[in-house]
Amino acid sequence: DTAVSQTPKYLVTQMGNDKSIKCEQNLGHDTMYWYKQDSKKFLKIMFSYNNKELIINETVPNRFSPKSPDKAHLNLHINSLELGDSAVYFCASSGGRGLDNEQFFGPGTRLTVL
Amino acid sequence: AQSVTQLGSHVSVSEGALVLLRCNYSSSVPPYLFWYVQYPNQGLQLLLKYTTGATLVKGINGFEAEFKKSETSFHLTKPSAHMSDAAEYFCAVSRSGGSYIPTFGRGTSLIVHP
Repeated sequence: DTAVSQTPKYLVTQMGNDKSIKCEQNLGHDTMYWYKQDSKKFLKIMFSYNNKELIINETVPNRFSPKSPDKAHLNLHINSLELGDSAVYFCASSGGRGLDNEQFFGPGTRLTVL
Repeated sequence: AQSVTQLGSHVSVSEGALVLLRCNYSSSVPPYLFWYVQYPNQGLQLLLKYTTGATLVKGINGFEAEFKKSETSFHLTKPSAHMSDAAEYFCAVSRSGGSYIPTFGRGTSLIVHP
């Protein structure tokens, strides 16, 4: 009965590879997000989707591409991985625009690029 | 525009002592305010939130926060720290309608000494 789930939990890969992280929420929320948390715990929003529509795309390299097949899923694909991409990536969801937008976070995916 | 400042990247207390984590915000409209907690190797979870109404808000695990508009503050307190409170704490602000995306502070690491 996990609310927001992510796979994989850990991802270790070589520079230059392409990888994907999957996220699913069973809360019936309309809005989903991807955040990046660096080694100093700073949390930065990357993308937000509302009902499968991209509504936020922060200054993120275009090697990062989100895809939302339906409003319960938001996947993150990363091309040509770089050392600086190493971080913890969190998926989150919220009830939608105009609400208080309390965020429900997944457990995170720790990405290590070697 | 909205922003959040958390004073002190680390706060150290003894078990049983008062916990005070500071958060100041700026927002051009009445804000929605949140405190989230992140335990090691986990995602963020909501501690408490202020939207409207009573300015003293009680959350889980004995935490509470008071919204002070005149001071633009939303400090988090707990009367008596437990070892299990050791974690990273994030203050966040969002607003209704318009730009609803939450802005997070840089986090405060709470260290509890026996």
